[in-house]
Amino acid sequence: KQEVTQIPAALSVPEGENLVLNCSFTDSAIYNLQWFRQDPGKGLTSLLLIQSSQREQTSGRLNASLDKSSGRSTLYIAASQPGDSATYLCAVAESSGNEKLTFGTGTRLTIIP
Amino acid sequence: DARVTQTPRDKVTEMGQEVTMRCQPILGHNTVFWYRQTMMQGLELLAYFRNRAPLDDSGMPKDRFSAEMPDATLATLKIQPSEPRDSAVYFCASGEGLRTDTQYFGPGTRLTVL
Repeated sequence: KQEVTQIPAALSVPEGENLVLNCSFTDSAIYNLQWFRQDPGKGLTSLLLIQSSQREQTSGRLNASLDKSSGRSTLYIAASQPGDSATYLCAVAESSGNEKLTFGTGTRLTIIP
Repeated sequence: DARVTQTPRDKVTEMGQEVTMRCQPILGHNTVFWYRQTMMQGLELLAYFRNRAPLDDSGMPKDRFSAEMPDATLATLKIQPSEPRDSAVYFCASGEGLRTDTQYFGPGTRLTVL
């Protein structure tokens, strides 16, 4: 059974700093990996999706990398802003042919102005 | 701006009562997912549909939960009878059915069972 872990559970950094969020998964037979953002009381918003054949994806100040063989992904946020404060979740889709996602428990990020 | 909508946004009920949550997927999307989020368990998939047919409901307690899609614009999740341990936020998400694409989440229904 796939297990997805995110460490740390919470992170606080001063505004303007670059930061890295970590995600690890136990079964490397994945189809893709996604990073989502969740604001308090809201649903999830997809940030980046990396296919298993890709190594990284970039969108603005966000860069996600994938090392499938080691079961790891990182989300890099450059020049952090208070508006980046949210919970970030990673999720993996397995190669078994369906669209089920297994989510990590998330990292709650606080950017200090 | 196409969005997944869910009703109600908040529901407080007493143990033993029936609860029905509704979801309107994005028009044209052919996959619908129901998730439950709790502090202890995080996000768990309860059930998912493709073209209105249930494909996987292995995450759902069968004795009290049921999920249906009466038509392409409506998905429902029912709990009968409800129990305090069902208290959680229930999310609906829809997708185009392409494994290369993401799922689009609704705002959730916060359920409290007293």
